[in-house]
Amino acid sequence: DIQMTQFPSTLSASVGDTVTITCRASQRISNYLAWYQQKPGKAPKLLIYKASNLESGVASRFSGSASGTEFTLIISSLQPDDFATYYCQQYNSYSWTFGQGTKVEIK
Amino acid sequence: EVHLVESGGGLVQPGGSLRLSCAASGFTFSSHWMSWVRQAPGKGLEWVGNIKEDGNEKYYVDSVRGRFTLSRDNAKNSVYLQMNSLRAEDTAVYYCATLRGFSAYDALDYWGQGTLVTVSS
Repeated sequence: DIQMTQFPSTLSASVGDTVTITCRASQRISNYLAWYQQKPGKAPKLLIYKASNLESGVASRFSGSASGTEFTLIISSLQPDDFATYYCQQYNSYSWTFGQGTKVEIK
Repeated sequence: EVHLVESGGGLVQPGGSLRLSCAASGFTFSSHWMSWVRQAPGKGLEWVGNIKEDGNEKYYVDSVRGRFTLSRDNAKNSVYLQMNSLRAEDTAVYYCATLRGFSAYDALDYWGQGTLVTVSS
C-alpha cells in the first residue's frame, strides 16, 4: 500500500498568515492527490483535486502543488473559517490512503 | 443540490452485523462510483471501499475485506455497506461519498453527514 506522510501534525497560526502543509507519498502517485478540510463534527470538504486543481466554490487562497512524491497545500492569508484539520489523500491505486491530518490552530 | 444521507448506524456487539445505507439525490447516481470512508473517534480518515456505478467492480481496504460487502441499487439511488463479524476497531463514523468524475480514480466531492457505528459489549 502507498503510505502518505503528512506534516506537521499541528500548526499554530494567526489570521492573515500563510501556512503550508506537506504530504509525502511512499511512491509515485501521478498527482492523484486530493486535499480535504474537516471541521469538528462535520464531514470532510474537498478543496483540491489532482494535486493542484481548485474544487469549484473553494476560495482561491487555497492552492496545491506537487514535486515528485511531495505535495503541498498552501493557505494564503488565513481566515478565521480556515481553522480546521486538513487531510491529504492519494487515489492513484487501491487501497486509497489518507495522511494523518494537520490541525491548524489559532496562535 | 447533491444530498447524501447515511443511516443504519448504532450499537452492536462484537461479532455482530450491521447494514449501512446511503440515500443519494441531486445527481445522476447511476453514473458515479461511490465510496465509504470511516473515522474512529478522535482519529483520522480511513478509506473503506469503493463500488462502481454498475456494482460490478468493488475495492476494499485490507482490514475489512471478507467481512464487509458493498452493494448498490440504482433504482433506489442507494448504496449499502453490509458489515459482518464486527470488531471493536470498526467503531467509527461512516461516511458515504461520491467520486467527482466518472473514473475509478478521482477525489471525493460530496459527502454525507455520517452515521456512527459503535461495536461494544
